[in-house]
Amino acid sequence: GEDVEQSLFLSVREGDSSVINCTYTDSSSTYLYWYKQEPGAGLQLLTYIFSNMDMKQDQRLTVLLNKKDKHLSLRIADTQTGDSAIYFCAEGNTGTASKLTFGTGTRLQVTL
Amino acid sequence: DVKVTQSSRYLVKRTGEKVFLECVQDMDHENMFWYRQDPGLGLRLIYFSYDVKMKEKGDIPEGYSVSREKKERFSLILESASTNQTSMYLCASSATPNYGYTFGSGTRLTVV
Repeated sequence: GEDVEQSLFLSVREGDSSVINCTYTDSSSTYLYWYKQEPGAGLQLLTYIFSNMDMKQDQRLTVLLNKKDKHLSLRIADTQTGDSAIYFCAEGNTGTASKLTFGTGTRLQVTL
Repeated sequence: DVKVTQSSRYLVKRTGEKVFLECVQDMDHENMFWYRQDPGLGLRLIYFSYDVKMKEKGDIPEGYSVSREKKERFSLILESASTNQTSMYLCASSATPNYGYTFGSGTRLTVV
């Protein structure tokens, strides 16, 4: 079946850039997503990228997709303490009854 | 904004009890999902539904059942709760085509 992998932990200093990486196995994925989960909360959709795109930028967030290597990354510029959270990568399709496959999540810790 | 509401944030139940987790969404989404989230394992799909009275097994359906009598409501049922079902349960919904899920805040269930 489909598999999505992420590293479990990343620590960065406030003001630096964070890069969270993800690899996936399903070559038929139509969309790839990044979700953020703050403590005690559900997941919040941050951004998504269509599989025929290489890059998407949204304010401090930059998503890079290497479809050949099935590698997705999320770059957060000027990381703030409020960015401390768990970040989940997910892949899926848009069809009926489509479901997403999630990675294990990367815990981002922002230090002063 | 789409709202997905889970009826309880915290629940404590005894082993062997029948447990109902309720989820309601208010944006007429066709698809609804139940996941459980455990540290180091990410999100695992229990059941999903793409229409009223329709249900499909996810990756870990054993010990669970679901009910979708109305489009806006998707219930997860633990037929006989066991301690290994202690977890965070997340409900989500999406439209078709699926441009990402909207999640509820989660229910943290403890079975003692």
